[in-house]
Amino acid sequence: AQSVTQLGSHVSVSEGALVLLRCNYSSSVPPYLFWYVQYPNQGLQLLLKYTSAATLVKGINGFEAEFKKSETSFHLTKPSAHMSDAAEYFCAVISTGANNLFFGTGTRLTVIP
Amino acid sequence: GAGVSQSPSNKVTEKGKDVELRCDPISGHTALYWYRQSLGQGLEFLIYFQGNSAPDKSGLPSDRFSAERTGGSVSTLTIQRTQQEDSAVYLCASSLVADSYNEQFFGPGTRLTVL
Repeated sequence: AQSVTQLGSHVSVSEGALVLLRCNYSSSVPPYLFWYVQYPNQGLQLLLKYTSAATLVKGINGFEAEFKKSETSFHLTKPSAHMSDAAEYFCAVISTGANNLFFGTGTRLTVIP
Repeated sequence: GAGVSQSPSNKVTEKGKDVELRCDPISGHTALYWYRQSLGQGLEFLIYFQGNSAPDKSGLPSDRFSAERTGGSVSTLTIQRTQQEDSAVYLCASSLVADSYNEQFFGPGTRLTVL
């Protein structure tokens, strides 16, 4: 069985502040983990993915995430928020050998000028 | 190159009617997925196709939902006798192959509203 929990359905940060979006996963086998971003009225765009090559993963737009097996976490961070980062962010898991993604419930990020 | 496209972008229908949603995957992608995004359930997997293999239908919520993929390319998701709880955004994705490693590329979705 596999699942993802995203803590905080809404997160607000000031422009220039640190962005931290939390994701915890559950998987009975080694997982691959993903962060997707969804801008209004658009589809999902991949930010980054963890596939066991390195625990610290760098993605697009200055985002990165660290896989911590001991904490079953894959939190997304960005040192300095931009207004353009306002969107909804989804963490997803897929177990090795599986084919479909299991998504968290999403976190809506608001950036305050 | 062209991404995943979906049509229509919006569909409003009356309860009890049938609807068809279309997905054009990225050329050369052998795997195609359907997901549903709704307020109450978040993002849920519905079905995926890999090449000419039998589809994995394990996520379809009821027998009113069906999907086909013709010629290994375009896919149609059909919902029969629509209900208000079917209102959601239906997302299609494609990948090179259906496995845990290859990135799934998503289309913009079809917003279905059942009155």
